[in-house]
Amino acid sequence: EVKLVESGGGVVRPGGSLRLSCAASGFTFDDYGMTWVRQAPGKGLEWVSGINWNGVSTVYADSVKGRFTISRNNAKNSLYLQMNSLRAEDTAFYHCARGKLELPNAFDIWGQGTMVTVSS
Amino acid sequence: DIQMTQSPSSLSASVGDRVTITCRASQSISSYLNWYQQKQGKAPKLLIYAVSSLQSGVPSRFSGSGSGTDFTLTISSLQPEDFATYYCQQSYTTPKTFGQGTKVEIK
Repeated sequence: EVKLVESGGGVVRPGGSLRLSCAASGFTFDDYGMTWVRQAPGKGLEWVSGINWNGVSTVYADSVKGRFTISRNNAKNSLYLQMNSLRAEDTAFYHCARGKLELPNAFDIWGQGTMVTVSS
Repeated sequence: DIQMTQSPSSLSASVGDRVTITCRASQSISSYLNWYQQKQGKAPKLLIYAVSSLQSGVPSRFSGSGSGTDFTLTISSLQPEDFATYYCQQSYTTPKTFGQGTKVEIK
């Protein structure tokens, strides 16, 4: 079964840090670009960051640029999001998603998400 | 950034109805337009990519059309399992922006 499972969410104070992980299984992880998308409670989807198959190319939304870092470890079939200088507006469910092989920025497999709450 | 605007924001429809959702981009995105379905408490699901290509396993009652800046998702005959929120997304340029969503509710 093709699967993505996120972990690492929790409650953190403003200015704090968290590292999210996304464990992939059921497919050849290093064939695919990967993405993080977040969703604040009751709100819509917001694209956060993307990384290509080998980790050489990364992109970010302006709202997180300079604070978040996306990375991957293909040997461990894992994707990461290091989040620093967290703000209240970063509170959201964070989903990892796989890009389609033929269209890397169409996301065909999603994890259920991990909740990040930034609150004092 | 490219802004994606969906209309309507919500709609009420009955089982069997034909439903159309529109998505407009603030500038041309060629054919780099995707549609997702999200049910309450679940992860989004890719329905259509590149304007009109049906993702594997998605029923044929879903279809997409458009080009440039104006796009449409059509459900030809609404089924009970289709009540959900639908999002368009442009994959033309970074950031890969989503529309604000269209909630399809039971009439």
